[in-house]
Amino acid sequence: AQKVTQAQTEISVVEKEDVTLDCVYETRDTTYYLFWYKQPPSGELVFLIRRNSFDEQNEISGRYSWNFQKSTSSFNFTITASQVVDSAVYFCALSESGYNTDKLIFGTGTRLQVFP
Amino acid sequence: DAGVTQSPTHLIKTRGQQVTLRCSPISGHKSVSWYQQVLGQGPQFIFQYYEKEERGRGNFPDRFSARQFPNYSSELNVNALLLGDSALYLCASSPLPTSGAYEQYFGPGTRLTVT
Repeated sequence: AQKVTQAQTEISVVEKEDVTLDCVYETRDTTYYLFWYKQPPSGELVFLIRRNSFDEQNEISGRYSWNFQKSTSSFNFTITASQVVDSAVYFCALSESGYNTDKLIFGTGTRLQVFP
Repeated sequence: DAGVTQSPTHLIKTRGQQVTLRCSPISGHKSVSWYQQVLGQGPQFIFQYYEKEERGRGNFPDRFSARQFPNYSSELNVNALLLGDSALYLCASSPLPTSGAYEQYFGPGTRLTVT
């Protein structure tokens, strides 16, 4: 069965600290996609990144970076020099296998609080 | 370009009633998915529609139904509401259903409270 685990329920940091959000996934597929979404208090899920299973290259976008390791089935997300505006719930998700489906399997989320 | 829109924003219903939630996808997107997010949990997949046909269904009772219209907008219907149906209902759209090859964009959600 496919599954996404975000073991960290809540993380609190002080502004300018670096923080890493962990994501571990389970799948038997060889082709799959992993996602990260941000959910601010307003509730809307904001797309951050999509990574396919054949591309293990790490990605950096400004203060955000992602580390994808197939050997450990992990897709971790690091925020460098965190800011108060980064406070939100972050979800990791896995695309379900199957033909022409958009179903995403989400983890339970990690609530990040950044204090000034 | 406008993002995914949903209506209404908030809704309060009584147990046993029926509710209809609406979603308009991003222009050009033909696939619409619905998710239920209970407080403190991640979104759970309910339905996916593409070209007016159901392409996927999550583990939800038959009280939940949906449809997609020729303009690709969609409605989610829930009958015989239970207290446990209280949640944020999210709609997502993508150009095509491709098992993740396209990112999905989510709307702001409809918060349903059942009393």
